[in-house]
Amino acid sequence: EADIYQTPRYLVIGTGKKITLECSQTMGHDKMYWYQQDPGMELHLIHYSYGVNSTEKGDLSSESTVSRIRTEHFPLTLESARPSHTSQYLCASSLTQTGPQHFGDGTRLSIL
Amino acid sequence: GQQLNQSPQSMFIQEGEDVSMNCTSSSIFNTWLWYKQDPGEGPVLLIALYKAGELTSNGRLTAQFGITRKDSFLNISASIPSDVGIYFCAGQAPFTGANSKLTFGKGITLSVRP
Repeated sequence: EADIYQTPRYLVIGTGKKITLECSQTMGHDKMYWYQQDPGMELHLIHYSYGVNSTEKGDLSSESTVSRIRTEHFPLTLESARPSHTSQYLCASSLTQTGPQHFGDGTRLSIL
Repeated sequence: GQQLNQSPQSMFIQEGEDVSMNCTSSSIFNTWLWYKQDPGEGPVLLIALYKAGELTSNGRLTAQFGITRKDSFLNISASIPSDVGIYFCAGQAPFTGANSKLTFGKGITLSVRP
């Protein structure tokens, strides 16, 4: 069973607010990922990290930023939320670059 | 970029029936993964395949890594209501350095009629 946790599970917030979505894993995985998923649609990679102090942008352009100061923690930040940021955000981690990714339960974000 | 094709978008079956879904690509992959996602949850890994021709089972689920390395299928036998959900395939291209990432299909929504 994967041990990867995301908070909050749900967030409804007004336009212009700064938001940080938390993601933590207790498996000691070096590789961590953030995906964006609209309802009923596929997952789009927006950020990934292959270790501490390493972050890269994914395939889908995103106005969010990430940081990786500790192995177990990979938070995602939106400096000024907009309605277009409304979506589900999924965090994942893997032991190796070619190994399977294990997902958290996601944060469902609604920007009013 | 690489794309994975899953179709149809939705499948409706009767409880007890078997169902098969496949995933195809124009590119080769070294790894095929099958995930299931329930509403409001994250995807859960069902089966991972690492070698062309590999056939792997997990309970009532069986998946195969195609010989051409461009496809994979997932079979669910004797379906039950809790099989309802979205089934995603994902593939990992041959490792070419720092940027070997997973590519996901669009998913198939499975409905099971009691």
